[in-house]
Amino acid sequence: DQQVKQNSPSLSVQEGRISILNCDYTNSMFDYFLWYKKYPAEGPTFLISISSIKDKNEDGRFTVFLNKSAKHLSLHIVPSQPGDSAVYFCAAPDAGGTSYGKLTFGQGTILTVHP
Amino acid sequence: NAGVTQTPKFRILKIGQSMTLQCAQDMNHNYMYWYRQDPGMGLKLIYYSVGAGITDKGEVPNGYNVSRSTTEDFPLRLELAAPSQTSVYFCASSATTDTQYFGPGTRLTVL
Repeated sequence: DQQVKQNSPSLSVQEGRISILNCDYTNSMFDYFLWYKKYPAEGPTFLISISSIKDKNEDGRFTVFLNKSAKHLSLHIVPSQPGDSAVYFCAAPDAGGTSYGKLTFGQGTILTVHP
Repeated sequence: NAGVTQTPKFRILKIGQSMTLQCAQDMNHNYMYWYRQDPGMGLKLIYYSVGAGITDKGEVPNGYNVSRSTTEDFPLRLELAAPSQTSVYFCASSATTDTQYFGPGTRLTVL
């Protein structure tokens, strides 16, 4: 049972354009979402997060949108740069007071930004 | 601050061998986690710890064991390696239950 899904394995974008990475979830108890970025041979690094009480969170070139009714979130990168080429994971902590931050990850989307 | 460190970076094991993957953090974080990532898949939680002396199973604990004798260290033990354990292993830590900081990973191949 895949509770967090990233249905696009890969995305290719031209430098300067917008990149949109999508994520769907099935567990309506999730109340916080994170995006991680991963370069080859490195561990994931935290990029941006959003609480379920918001529908948008922005940090520089990165914006995450949350649509709770559709159980969908998206990460927008504007403008895209070649250095943004990486694997992007959507993740959500288990809900509830005893979740201890355990994360459920999507499968990841490989973003390639062409110069 | 070194953050989260993992050793070794790479390892090849034969079926049935044992090994310990080391993980250490210098951020005084209470929460620590072990994940594995298989090709084309997201990370799956193996074990986690909420403090020294306290550990619990995650989604895929079979074939692994952990211990947490200090706040800094969280080793993962494979007792009888199997080809299904070929994966990349990531250790992570966090001060609270939101943002986790990951180590660089250990790439393990079992032949």
